[in-house]
Amino acid sequence: AQTVTQSQPEMSVQEAETVTLSCTYDTSENNYYLFWYKQPPSRQMILVIRQEAYKQQNATENRFSVNFQKAAKSFSLKISDSQLGDTAMYFCAFMKHEFLNAGNMLTFGGGTRLMVKP
Amino acid sequence: EAQVTQNPRYLITVTGKKLTVTCSQNMNHEYMSWYRQDPGLGLRQIYYSMNVEVTDKGDVPEGYKVSRKEKRNFPLILESPSPNQTSLYFCASSVRGNEQFFGPGTRLTVL
Repeated sequence: AQTVTQSQPEMSVQEAETVTLSCTYDTSENNYYLFWYKQPPSRQMILVIRQEAYKQQNATENRFSVNFQKAAKSFSLKISDSQLGDTAMYFCAFMKHEFLNAGNMLTFGGGTRLMVKP
Repeated sequence: EAQVTQNPRYLITVTGKKLTVTCSQNMNHEYMSWYRQDPGLGLRQIYYSMNVEVTDKGDVPEGYKVSRKEKRNFPLILESPSPNQTSLYFCASSVRGNEQFFGPGTRLTVL
């Protein structure tokens, strides 16, 4: 079974600064996907970024980027130029390749609560 | 607008009183899932469905039932709710191998 660990329950950052959220996972699979989801106070789950394990290039979406280290099973999220609207709970999630994942199931970490301070 | 809807958004009930949380999606996705979110545990899959009339258990299915009679709808049924089912519930839909689209969540309290 896969496990996802987020070792930082809470973090804070000053507006306009950069912050990195950590995520490690454990799997014996070689093909899989990794995601970061954002959950603001509205509770809506919003996809931030997606990474395919077979791609060596790190995914980037505007101010959000990841550092994907496959051998180390690490998948950190970097938020640059932090904004007040980035205040949210962030979840790291793992999904096996579709051929090995009948239920299209996501396995989530416990989350990191990020506070952006003005 | 592409979306997943859930109803109700908030529900307070008592132990043993049957309830249903509805979920509907308008994206023609074949996959639908139910997750529960608990502090420190993230989201955990309860049940999933690969298509109409095809459902199976996720990681935490005990105490829950689902049905998939139409592609767009995937209700979650608690036949005899208990306090340990107090949680935040999310419905999600997806195409296989792709990211899941989540509904707005249902906050359930069982007294």
